[in-house]
Amino acid sequence: DAGITQSPRYKITETGRQVTLMCHQTWSHSYMFWYRQDLGHGLRLIYYSAAADITDKGEVPDGYVVSRSKTENFPLTLESATRSQTSVYFCASGPGTPSYNEQFFGPGTRLTVL
Amino acid sequence: ELKVEQNPLFLSMQEGKNYTIYCNYSTTSDRLYWYRQDPGKSLESLFVLLSNGAVKQEGRLMASLDTKARLSTLHITAAVHDLSATYFCAVVYGGSQGNLIFGKGTKLSVKP
Repeated sequence: DAGITQSPRYKITETGRQVTLMCHQTWSHSYMFWYRQDLGHGLRLIYYSAAADITDKGEVPDGYVVSRSKTENFPLTLESATRSQTSVYFCASGPGTPSYNEQFFGPGTRLTVL
Repeated sequence: ELKVEQNPLFLSMQEGKNYTIYCNYSTTSDRLYWYRQDPGKSLESLFVLLSNGAVKQEGRLMASLDTKARLSTLHITAAVHDLSATYFCAVVYGGSQGNLIFGKGTKLSVKP
């Protein structure tokens, strides 16, 4: 089915471990985004990508790594997880044209770092 | 730096009543988005406002944009319980075509 999917939906890990969150979209949108949602902070942009092999930092990039070798995939890696990275992570995609920046969100991944 | 402020952050209202949620932003932008999020769910796009004076309506919700005042409103008419959710506004940031800066959200609870 067309859309945007995230995996896993729930993840529990330990401090110091590497974790990768996956995001896949079938719309061929050029832009993809990673946000984290925390109580009291709303949604904050971690990284975004304008196209394959083009990525850029958002508001809170520290501790995260992204890559985008294919248009449809945009994985987010926590290189050494910390408790402060416990959050709900949303991936989004959008066409990113000058007149239309609407973003479409995936179902989210709830990550707990013990 | 673009800041987006919503108020109120929490809103409890009775069914049948009207109310308005406000979204103020600090720098020039001519594009604003409203999203809805149900508890434990993802964000669902409600409205895309692309120009000054834009007005969009869907059911009991109406959104408007005043770029000169840097203000968008989300008006709720004759609220029903099904409208209970958190509503976010988001504004395009600078010249980057993809970035949205979100407000902290307004948690709406509609009681019978």
